[in-house]
Amino acid sequence: RKEVEQDPGPFNVPEGATVAFNCTYSNSASQSFFWYRQDCRKEPKLLMSVYSSGNEDGRFTAQLNRASQYISLLIRDSKLSDSATYLCVVKGNRDDKIIFGKGTRLHILP
Amino acid sequence: GAVVSQHPSRVICKSGTSVKIECRSLDFQATTMFWYRQFPKQSLMLMATSNEGSKATYEQGVEKDKFLINHASLTLSTLTVTSAHPEDSSFYICSAREPQRGGRYGEQYFGPGTRLTVT
Repeated sequence: RKEVEQDPGPFNVPEGATVAFNCTYSNSASQSFFWYRQDCRKEPKLLMSVYSSGNEDGRFTAQLNRASQYISLLIRDSKLSDSATYLCVVKGNRDDKIIFGKGTRLHILP
Repeated sequence: GAVVSQHPSRVICKSGTSVKIECRSLDFQATTMFWYRQFPKQSLMLMATSNEGSKATYEQGVEKDKFLINHASLTLSTLTVTSAHPEDSSFYICSAREPQRGGRYGEQYFGPGTRLTVT
């Protein structure tokens, strides 16, 4: 099983719709979880951290399910500018190594 | 937030030549820097971790004699791709981590990446 798995997509979603991605991780000892956004040919940028209690930042909501070892990202009222690849990132505790998922491509359609 | 720069942003070289990529932390001292590689439609893969003043730690499958990493100062790490081949063509991204505070690892910031094309 891969360390971090995501559906590669692409997700083609009309503007204004709600879209959700999931990501599963294999190491139950993982401590920190993040969603990054990567635009084409650019470096990844932190979108939000994922906390056990779930967290919301504007139109974005992230949740963590430790029992099932997955994290999710929900985007409401999607904008054209949300088109990007969303990377699920898991960080270990001891070595602090960051493991990236392959990313989920999102296309917001006008 | 902190800024990490990379130079060059794009480089084309001939097969067999060597290419050096620089990674700088601009407003903080990074005791640890990371080098990643990303092939098209693939995830970022950690190549090596470099700590200032010591030898880099390479991930399994990454040839240390081919990818030379030097972290000579707290703000600069370099990656040299030696005897580059077309299969080394990729997007190379560095990341710099702020020093530990209170026993916790600092934030990690990514550079803008260097696109290497080997012809």
